[in-house]
Amino acid sequence: EPEVTQTPSHQVTQMGQEVILRCVPISNHLYFYWYRQILGQKVEFLVSFYNNEISEKSEIFDDQFSVERPDGSNFTLKIRSTKLEDSAMYFCASNLLYEQYFGPGTRLTVT
Amino acid sequence: AQSVSQHNHHVILSEAASLELGCNYSYGGTVNLFWYVQYPGQHLQLLLKYFSGDPLVKGIKGFEAEFIKSKFSFNLRKPSVQWSDTAEYFCAVSVYNNNDMRFGAGTRLTVKP
Repeated sequence: EPEVTQTPSHQVTQMGQEVILRCVPISNHLYFYWYRQILGQKVEFLVSFYNNEISEKSEIFDDQFSVERPDGSNFTLKIRSTKLEDSAMYFCASNLLYEQYFGPGTRLTVT
Repeated sequence: AQSVSQHNHHVILSEAASLELGCNYSYGGTVNLFWYVQYPGQHLQLLLKYFSGDPLVKGIKGFEAEFIKSKFSFNLRKPSVQWSDTAEYFCAVSVYNNNDMRFGAGTRLTVKP
């Protein structure tokens, strides 16, 4: 069964550094998403992406964040200058219709 | 925008007990409803979903949920829980014809053996 994959599984970075989290959505899916889950808290929507542009973003998704689909398979989330509070699990998801399929997540630790 | 409330933050049950986790959403239009489960150290997995039709939906692992439109609720149930059901459970809603999904805060279920 096709699945969403994410790399790396764990990323440790220093405050102020840029990070890029990578996702490979399911190949025929059209909608792509990033979510964040701070340890012990709920899953929070960050951004949705369709037809090569952002379709919706939350208030969390400020100018420090950007998303890109650089080729036909990858979907990336970039954080330009990481802060301690960016430490979280980041989930990518994709869907064709209404059911979203989630990747295993990338644990980002900002020190 | 739609929002989701899960009132039970942590539920502790003994094996074989019955489970009901509450989920309420706020949105006046047509919605799609989901329950996801997150086992310790793992990613989100879909338990069940409701788009239309029979408001009682059955999912994997013996879980079911009932959509009650008048109460804006989509409660998750299981008649007899097992230790392996220990996990975090998230209710989610998306607006019909809109793919953006919003999650509830989650309910941690601990099943004692």
